[in-house]
Amino acid sequence: QVQLQESGPGLVTPSGTLSLTCAVSGVSVTSPKYWSWVRQSPGKGLEWIGEISLSGADYNAPLKSRVTMSVDKSKNQFSLDLTSVTAADTAVYYCARGSSFNSGFPYFDSWGRGTLVIVSS
Amino acid sequence: ETVMTQSPATLSVSPGERVTLSCRASQSVSINVAWYQQKPGQAPRLLIYGASNRATGIPARFSGSGSGTEFTLTISSLQSEDFATYYCQQYSHWRTFGQGTKVEVK
Repeated sequence: QVQLQESGPGLVTPSGTLSLTCAVSGVSVTSPKYWSWVRQSPGKGLEWIGEISLSGADYNAPLKSRVTMSVDKSKNQFSLDLTSVTAADTAVYYCARGSSFNSGFPYFDSWGRGTLVIVSS
Repeated sequence: ETVMTQSPATLSVSPGERVTLSCRASQSVSINVAWYQQKPGQAPRLLIYGASNRATGIPARFSGSGSGTEFTLTISSLQSEDFATYYCQQYSHWRTFGQGTKVEVK
C-alpha cells in the first residue's frame, strides 16, 4: 500500500523559496511512475504544478520558470522548490503518484494528506 | 491550456437518488479523463480513470462515461458518504482539473 507524506515549512516569506518534501513508502521512487505536486487554493481550485519520472521532469507552463523538482533515491522521497513566492502561492500542497493506463499519460491514484503553506511576512 | 468545465457547480440531492455530473473539455482529450472525490479537509480520492474504469476499491454505484470532449460521472444511488465535491481532470494535454461540483444534501 503506497503512502505519501508531505513535509516542510507552513509559512514562507514573500520573495522567498517554498521547499517541500514528499516521503514515499510502500513503493520505490525509482518505479516507473510520475511523482507529482498539485496545489489547491480557494481562488484557483486544483492546479497541477509538475511531475518527475525516470524520463525527467515536466512543469506547468505558468510556473515553469520558478519550479524545480528532484528525487532522492536514498531516502525514497521527492521534493519541490518554488522560488519568488507571493501571496498567490498560498495553498494546500499535495504530493501525488501518477500512474498511466493505455495512453501513457498519468492520472493521480495516490495522494498525500496535503500541507498548508502560507506566504506572508 | 485545456479547460475542463463542470456542471452544475452545486447539486442538491437526497440519499438514494441517481446523480449525474457533467464535464466538458475545451478540446478533445480522447478518454484521458479521471474523476476524483474530495471531502472537506481531505485529499482528493481517485474514482475513475480512462473515462470509465473504476479505481481499486471504488463501489460499483460509481460509473463514468464519455470520450472526446463530453464526460459524465454517474452515482446510481447516492449514499450518505457520497456527499462531497467531485472533480474531473484531463491528462491528455498536460493535466488540468475542472472547478468541481459540490453534491450537497437537499
